[in-house]
Amino acid sequence: QVQLVESGGGVVQPGRSLRLSCAASGPTFRNLNIHWVRQAPGKGLEWVALIYYDGIEKYYADSVKGRFTISRDNSQNTLYLHMNDLRAEDTAVYYCSTFAIWGQGTLVTVSS
Amino acid sequence: QSVLTQPPSVSAAPGQKVTISCSGSRSNIGNNYVSWYQHLPGTAPRLLIYENNKRPSGIPDRFSGSKSGTSATLGITGLQPGDEADYYCGAWDSSLTPGVLFGGGTKVTVL
Repeated sequence: QVQLVESGGGVVQPGRSLRLSCAASGPTFRNLNIHWVRQAPGKGLEWVALIYYDGIEKYYADSVKGRFTISRDNSQNTLYLHMNDLRAEDTAVYYCSTFAIWGQGTLVTVSS
Repeated sequence: QSVLTQPPSVSAAPGQKVTISCSGSRSNIGNNYVSWYQHLPGTAPRLLIYENNKRPSGIPDRFSGSKSGTSATLGITGLQPGDEADYYCGAWDSSLTPGVLFGGGTKVTVL
């Protein structure tokens, strides 16, 4: 069973960048399509992005398109989310997930 | 990208049954599988139902899912205090901007 562990969250000023990582255990990571999902304080789940197992096909939510980039390194069993031009409304707990498997999340706070 | 529509809250006494509806459109629920998730504050979400009505290993059969047209329903029977949580439906949306949609979430309260 794959386990997912997110890292890289923290406090960042509006307009700045941050990179989240999601480390996966287990040999099957390279076969998995993986998502980033976030939950803002007091809000529901919001899907952010999807990357297919081979790293080629990617999809983004309209709210982050052009600012966030999802990528993966299958040799390192790691998923990334590069976040640029961060806004207050990006403040949330970010989860990496296959939807069957979820990490515990990492908190991103965008504030001056 | 629009969200799927769920009631904000439902409640029932222990041992009773609750149902949660999830309404969408042809581009999402109408033509794609629906999943359901349970989310307790401070924890990771948990997959309860996938492909409309299938339960992952370890999910009790008190949880059930169904789909008809552009709507889906999650049922919880034999309600327990530990079932008090937020529940979300989710589905792929095959519109011009494809992606995953989640419902707004339903808070289940065990009276």
